[in-house]
Amino acid sequence: DTEVTQTPKHLVMGMTNKKSLKCEQHMGHRAMYWYKQKAKKPPELMFVYSYEKLSINESVPSRFSPECPNSSLLNLHLHALQPEDSALYLCASSQDRGAPREQYFGPGTRLTVT
Amino acid sequence: DAKTTQPNSMESNEEEPVHLPCNHSTISGTDYIHWYRQLPSQGPEYVIHGLTSNVNNRMASLAIAEDRKSSTLILHRATLRDAAVYYCILRAGGTSYGKLTFGQGTILTVHP
Repeated sequence: DTEVTQTPKHLVMGMTNKKSLKCEQHMGHRAMYWYKQKAKKPPELMFVYSYEKLSINESVPSRFSPECPNSSLLNLHLHALQPEDSALYLCASSQDRGAPREQYFGPGTRLTVT
Repeated sequence: DAKTTQPNSMESNEEEPVHLPCNHSTISGTDYIHWYRQLPSQGPEYVIHGLTSNVNNRMASLAIAEDRKSSTLILHRATLRDAAVYYCILRAGGTSYGKLTFGQGTILTVHP
């Protein structure tokens, strides 16, 4: 099974709402990633978790709060977002953080902030 | 992060080979060259990677120049399903360990 699943597929939220995005993999991977992709732009790295510990935060605003409860699960908690945060949020995993390792991406959650 | 340069777009006909170029003149000795592609409305998909030697897998071949300042992704027989954005990415170790920094990519159009 080489699948990364993400829920929900679509999410619409107001600027005062709190919501969470969920990502799951059962490949035994120990590195997990969150990316943000705006329309017609390449994905941009947000966070990297390695062995359930946050190892890279690409200066992401605190209204995005990642969490890795266990090695299979990655959450992204959203609070007080702005309309410009509307984007496709992609989760990925890899065996570990090493440079030769390929990343497996999920289909993404399309977020609209109203 | 070392930067890659790719053509904005390329076109091919179905069942013909496609050569997608990538320049990475500032590559360091420990940077791996990765290729991913993103089909419409999907997450990126790993295609192939290499360090110094040419690589082949079931999806494609990767030809790496001797000085490593450029590489070429080769799709041997393009199909309509290969229409996607192709990203050439350098993955570094050190403090950037784990980062995958996407460039603008090449939009590949495949004509029937």
